[in-house]
Amino acid sequence: EAGVTQSPTHLIKTRGQQATLRCSPISGHTSVYWYQQALGLGLQFLLWYDEGEERNRGNFPPRFSGRQFPNYSSELNVNALELEDSALYLCASSSPGQGPQETQYFGPGTRLLVL
Amino acid sequence: AQSVTQLDSQVPVFEEAPVELRCNYSSSVSVYLFWYVQYPNQGLQLLLKYLSGSTLVKGINGFEAEFNKSQTSFHLRKPSVHISDTAEYFCAVSDPGYSTLTFGKGTMLLVSP
Repeated sequence: EAGVTQSPTHLIKTRGQQATLRCSPISGHTSVYWYQQALGLGLQFLLWYDEGEERNRGNFPPRFSGRQFPNYSSELNVNALELEDSALYLCASSSPGQGPQETQYFGPGTRLLVL
Repeated sequence: AQSVTQLDSQVPVFEEAPVELRCNYSSSVSVYLFWYVQYPNQGLQLLLKYLSGSTLVKGINGFEAEFNKSQTSFHLRKPSVHISDTAEYFCAVSDPGYSTLTFGKGTMLLVSP
């Protein structure tokens, strides 16, 4: 069974540009989560999508947005990039079921560098 | 609001020695607790989780953790570590009302020969 996949693995942008990160969940999983892992800040929850809808959002500005497609894959968009957006962005997926009891399976991440 | 504190940012230990990685949480409601491991240049992998029932939870790779409600702790232990256990370990908490995880800042376990 294929795991969670993310693309690209690395992304280099300059300040003010937009970045688009992609995630494909494990087959059968309907929930997708996005986390930011920035140096010194640890892992912080960004967004949760389930069945195509945004279910919850972390404490991030509106320039962080995303969507979930009918095939449950997801896209994270970061507009007006700032230097502090440089981080590893991790996507996770979980199966439909009992919500928070379900294990989240993580992808390898996209490393975003903003110059 | 929930929070997770991992008291040690780094834990150096010799191979075959026991190790304990500490995790404390704060929450006004009952929680689910998780330990994840992140090997270099990889994503996170679930080690174990506590949902309910027995307070001693056994996970993969010989790790176990004990849920202590009175001390709001969920410490991770392994009786004998290997070089391959060198990685960063994250404790996380989930509010039963939500599916999102709140992570601690991580503990780097450094195992040397």
